[in-house]
Order: sequence, then C-alpha cells, then structure tokens
Amino acid sequence: DAGVIQSPRHEVTEMGQEVTLRCKPISGHNSLFWYRQTMMRGLELLIYFNNNVPIDDSGMPEDRFSAKMPNASFSTLKIQPSEPRDSAVYFCASSLPKHYTGIDKNIQYFGAGTRLSVL
Amino acid sequence: AQSVSQHNHHVILSEAASLELGCNYSYGGTVNLFWYVQYPGQHLQLLLKYFSGDPLVKGIKGFEAEFIKSKFSFNLRKPSVQWSDTAEYFCAVNDGNFNKFYFGSGTKLNVKP
Repeated sequence: DAGVIQSPRHEVTEMGQEVTLRCKPISGHNSLFWYRQTMMRGLELLIYFNNNVPIDDSGMPEDRFSAKMPNASFSTLKIQPSEPRDSAVYFCASSLPKHYTGIDKNIQYFGAGTRLSVL
Repeated sequence: AQSVSQHNHHVILSEAASLELGCNYSYGGTVNLFWYVQYPGQHLQLLLKYFSGDPLVKGIKGFEAEFIKSKFSFNLRKPSVQWSDTAEYFCAVNDGNFNKFYFGSGTKLNVKP
C-alpha cells in the first residue's frame, strides 16, 4: 500500500485566498484525522472522521476551516479565507476500524504533510 | 478529556549517552499508549506501542518504553543514542474505545556527534 497520500506537499498562497488540502487514506482504513503542526502549538487535532462522518471537530480553529470526507478514499481540508497565522504543516492520518483485531489495531498512519505558507 | 504531558521539551545528548523521555497521561481507565518519532522534515512514524501484557515494550531502533500504571507513565528509553536519533518524539494515548488520539507536545532530541 502507498500509505496515506497528501497533496500538495507545499502550498504558498496569499492572504485571503482559498486553500484546499487533500488526503487519501490507506485503503481499508475507516478513520481519518487532520492535524496541524506549528512551532508554537505543537501537534493539534483539528477534526476526525469515522466512516466518512465527522465525529469531533472541536479542534477546528474557526469557521474559516472546513473539512469533508465525501467517500472512504478522499478527504479535504479547506481554509477560506486564509490568513498568515494559518501557516503550518497539516498532516492527515488514518487508522483501521476499532473492531479490528490485527497487529495494526489502533495505530495511526501519517501522511507526509502539506506545508502551507500564507503570505 | 485525556491529556498527555511530556515534561522535557528539548533534550541535548552526546552520542552513546543514555536517553529517557518522560510521558504522563491523565486517564483512569484502560489505555493504549504510543511513541511516535518525527525525523527532521518528515512525518510521524510509529516507534512502539503498548496495548496490554508485558509493561516493558520494545520498539524499533533499540528503543523501549515501560508502562507504569500506578504512575500513569510511559517513559521512552534507549541505552545508547546515536546521531541519527535526532528527531522529535511524541507520546500519545487513546482509550481504545474511540479512535481519537491525544498527543503530547513533543520532545526535541538533539544528539551531538
């Protein structure tokens, strides 16, 4: 399996522009997580989905942030409008269903991240 | 809500020195515990995990961690670090019932050659 795939790897945009980050989880994983990593705040969970349904979005900082998971193999995180303080690395992670009993149970697998710079 | 504390934010060691990174969590029930490593410019990778059984777990690259339930701790250890261990280390917890993970703030390890 190719692992969790995120695109783009790098995004540079100007303040006020819309930014869309994309994630393809590992096939068969039914949980998907979006994290933001900054020097100041470390690794923050923004939102996570189970079976394409948002379960906890309490980490989404503002209404400017939205996330969708239209199907089991694709998710987006959108920022509209973007601001310089949104500059960070955004990671997507996926994991197997909680009823899974194999060795990979409860392990989150991370994508390579998208480094976002808002000027 | 659960929380995870990593008290060492930045550790500097010389090669061959021993390492111990602290991790404490706040949750009274059954937990699953993890250590992830993030090498410079890379994504988080699983280093080791504890679900049940022997509280001393061994991971990749010579790392091990000990779960002490009475202390709510899951400290990471390595007897002799290498320059290639320079990375950021994250402790994480989930309660096994949900897929939500709680990550610590991370510890940056800098190993001097």
